[in-house]
Amino acid sequence: GENVEQHPSTLSVQEGDSAVIKCTYSDSASNYFPWYKQELGKRPQLIIDIRSNVGEKKDQRIAVTLNKTAKHFSLHITETQPEDSAVYFCAASIKAAGNKLTFGGGTRVLVKP
Amino acid sequence: SQTIHQWPATLVQPVGSPLSLECTVEGTSNPNLYWYRQAAGRGLQLLFYSVGIGQISSEVPQNLSASRPQDRQFILSSKKLLLSDSGFYLCCGDSTDTQYFGPGTRLTVL
Repeated sequence: GENVEQHPSTLSVQEGDSAVIKCTYSDSASNYFPWYKQELGKRPQLIIDIRSNVGEKKDQRIAVTLNKTAKHFSLHITETQPEDSAVYFCAASIKAAGNKLTFGGGTRVLVKP
Repeated sequence: SQTIHQWPATLVQPVGSPLSLECTVEGTSNPNLYWYRQAAGRGLQLLFYSVGIGQISSEVPQNLSASRPQDRQFILSSKKLLLSDSGFYLCCGDSTDTQYFGPGTRLTVL
């Protein structure tokens, strides 16, 4: 089955700096890659996703890149703010397999003011 | 748009007691539904998923079970809770490719 590795497990950045989280996946058939943000005590919220026919996607300060050949994808947060502090999860799925997501282990991001 | 409801929001139960957590979905028909568990400070563990009424797949052997009596209803149960069952239980449903989480139930087993 699919295996998703996420790095780093913790990330501390100064407010205004950029943060990058990287994930690798094992199954080359995976074609959908969402990112979730989970604030303390709350549910994970989808913040951005990318499909395998696209190499990059941006939404304001957030961007995701996908390298299908290398089987890795990354989340980039620019101009970080204290409210970006949370745990971020990447995931991968194969649409034909019923959309079952395989999650990475999570990255705890702390933005220092 | 899809909305997922879960209850209760928090629950404290003694070891050995039964459990029933309910999840309902609004705004979509025939969704795939999922139960995840998250231990404190940890990642998301997929417990069960369902592609339709009465169809349940178990991902992890344990003392929990799931049922889907109606298209938009997903229930997580246990006959006897263990201490290790404590955690944050999240129901999830999908709309096309995208999965959305319910608000979760925080279960503490004492």
